[in-house]
Amino acid sequence: EPEVTQTPSHQVTQMGQEVILRCVPISNHLYFYWYRQILGQKVEFLVSFYNNEISEKSEIFDDQFSVERPDGSNFTLKIRSTKLEDSAMYFCASMLDRAYEQYFGPGTRLTVT
Amino acid sequence: DQQVKQNSPSLSVQEGRISILNCDYTNSMFDYFLWYKKYPAEGPTFLISISSIKDKNEDGRFTVFLNKSAKHLSLHIVPSQPGDSAVYFCAAGTYKYIFGTGTRLKVLA
Repeated sequence: EPEVTQTPSHQVTQMGQEVILRCVPISNHLYFYWYRQILGQKVEFLVSFYNNEISEKSEIFDDQFSVERPDGSNFTLKIRSTKLEDSAMYFCASMLDRAYEQYFGPGTRLTVT
Repeated sequence: DQQVKQNSPSLSVQEGRISILNCDYTNSMFDYFLWYKKYPAEGPTFLISISSIKDKNEDGRFTVFLNKSAKHLSLHIVPSQPGDSAVYFCAAGTYKYIFGTGTRLKVLA
């Protein structure tokens, strides 16, 4: 069964460093997402991506964040200068079309020290 | 921003009994609703969904009920099994989903 994959599973970085989180969505899906979950808190929407552009982003998704779909398979989230409060689980999700279920990857645990 | 709320942070149920998880939302424009199950350190796993044109959807032991006038949905698990112990999130939206805060279900053997 097709699934969303994410790498790495765990990333440790120092404050101020850039990180890139990678995702391979399900191949025929059209909508792509990043969410994050800070430990003990709810899953929060970061950004949605459709037709090679950001369709919506949350307040969390400030200028330090960017997304890219560099080829037909990968979907990346870049944080330019990480802060301690960026430590969280980051989940990628993809969706076939509007009003369908989103499928989530296993997540990347980002630890900023 | 509490557009989707799960007011019970936890729920304990005896094995074999019914588990009922509740979710309330505020935005009447939401037209698709989903339930996810999540284990620690894993991504949410899709369980069941319902569109706003329906009031019930059933899949095996899982049934989701939608009451649009009350802006309320619920997930029923019958019979509950110990393997169902996890955190359950409801989500609402159309192409972007807002997640509730989750309910931790514990099914006691």
